[in-house]
Amino acid sequence: EAQVTQNPRYLITVTGKKLTVTCSQNMNHEYMSWYRQDPGLGLRQIYYSMNVEVTDKGDVPEGYKVSRKEKRNFPLILESPSPNQTSLYFCASSLSRNSNQPQHFGDGTRLSIL
Amino acid sequence: KNEVEQSPQNLTAQEGEFITINCSYSVGISALHWLQQHPGGGIVSLFMLSSGKKKHGRLIATINIQEKHSSLHITASHPRDSAVYICAVRFRSQGGSEKLVFGKGTKLTVNP
Repeated sequence: EAQVTQNPRYLITVTGKKLTVTCSQNMNHEYMSWYRQDPGLGLRQIYYSMNVEVTDKGDVPEGYKVSRKEKRNFPLILESPSPNQTSLYFCASSLSRNSNQPQHFGDGTRLSIL
Repeated sequence: KNEVEQSPQNLTAQEGEFITINCSYSVGISALHWLQQHPGGGIVSLFMLSSGKKKHGRLIATINIQEKHSSLHITASHPRDSAVYICAVRFRSQGGSEKLVFGKGTKLTVNP
């Protein structure tokens, strides 16, 4: 089954403790992206990657890192999480950066930073 | 900066009604997406448009590039259509990178 898999689905942690949210897709997609969703603000793009070893900042990249060493994986890293990073996070992928390709979303990761 | 405005924010309808959700944006775009987010949180891509009109089942999406406006229509609405509908536009920023900007969503509730 074609899917985007995020782990963990839920995480409660404390300020400053490094964490990684994994994202994996099995569709051989080139383009992958991370978003956060906050009440009243909607979805905002954190980082995206157009292919292996090619990443770029979205609208809200501060406090996050990403890597794209393999095509299928695009982990989101919070080196020193803070409470303002408490949010619902979505990973998405599409076949290419071409604007007529649909995005496939993961089920979301709810992070709470205390 | 590209702004994406959706209206209405909330919409309540009776089963069977024709639904329209609107999306306006402020700069030239390469594509517009309509997404559906169910109460459980999962997001599904419904349509991508760069011109004209697309139809899938009871859903119809239109875009007017000149007026920078798109509409999502649902015919014969059903309670299972209850969800948040999100408009997103893809555009090229001044730095040359492609950005995806989302509207805040329209919460649709269809009552039986």
